[in-house]
Amino acid sequence: GEDVEQSLFLSVREGDSSVINCTYTDSSSTYLYWYKQEPGAGLQLLTYIFSNMDMKQDQRLTVLLNKKDKHLSLRIADTQTGDSAIYFCAESIIGFQKLVFGTGTRLLVSP
Amino acid sequence: ETGVTQTPRHLVMGMTNKKSLKCEQHLGHNAMYWYKQSAKKPLELMFVYSLEERVENNSVPSRFSPECPNSSHLFLHLHTLQPEDSALYLCASSQERRPDSPLHFGNGTRLTVT
Repeated sequence: GEDVEQSLFLSVREGDSSVINCTYTDSSSTYLYWYKQEPGAGLQLLTYIFSNMDMKQDQRLTVLLNKKDKHLSLRIADTQTGDSAIYFCAESIIGFQKLVFGTGTRLLVSP
Repeated sequence: ETGVTQTPRHLVMGMTNKKSLKCEQHLGHNAMYWYKQSAKKPLELMFVYSLEERVENNSVPSRFSPECPNSSHLFLHLHTLQPEDSALYLCASSQERRPDSPLHFGNGTRLTVT
């Protein structure tokens, strides 16, 4: 079955690193995505990783993929108050561009 | 300004009303989606249109009726809704059959059914 799980809440201080974790169940997933949702807005694509990769770095963002454990993480370096938002992990289902989303992790960054 | 535009941003309607949500994408994509986002629940995929044909309908009640007149426009027609239909309705687009083409979302329509 298709299921993506995330912890609901993460609180960090400004300047620290944030690590948001996600587990998924479909081993045939081709791409895994991280989206960010700010209040009153839709989902904004942050980054994505192909399933045959272990790591992808994009400026302050680092994505790690452990395919054996079906575990995905997003690390945000030097977290800023503007990073406060809900972060969604999503997996693509092979054969069609259908994404299955987790429930989202609310990141709160305090000064 | 996002490449996917949704109107209206907010909508309040009674249970006997008929209204429509509109979505327009300016990205040249050929697939469009409706998602429902309710509090404390994962995003629910409602409908998928690919090349203007509906290819997925995830057991959505018939009081929701989608329409895709062309690859740039998508509508969601609403009638006799229930209070539990109150949610954020998100439209998205992508390039079909391109696994590296992620979904691009609009800012959503916040719907309240009274």
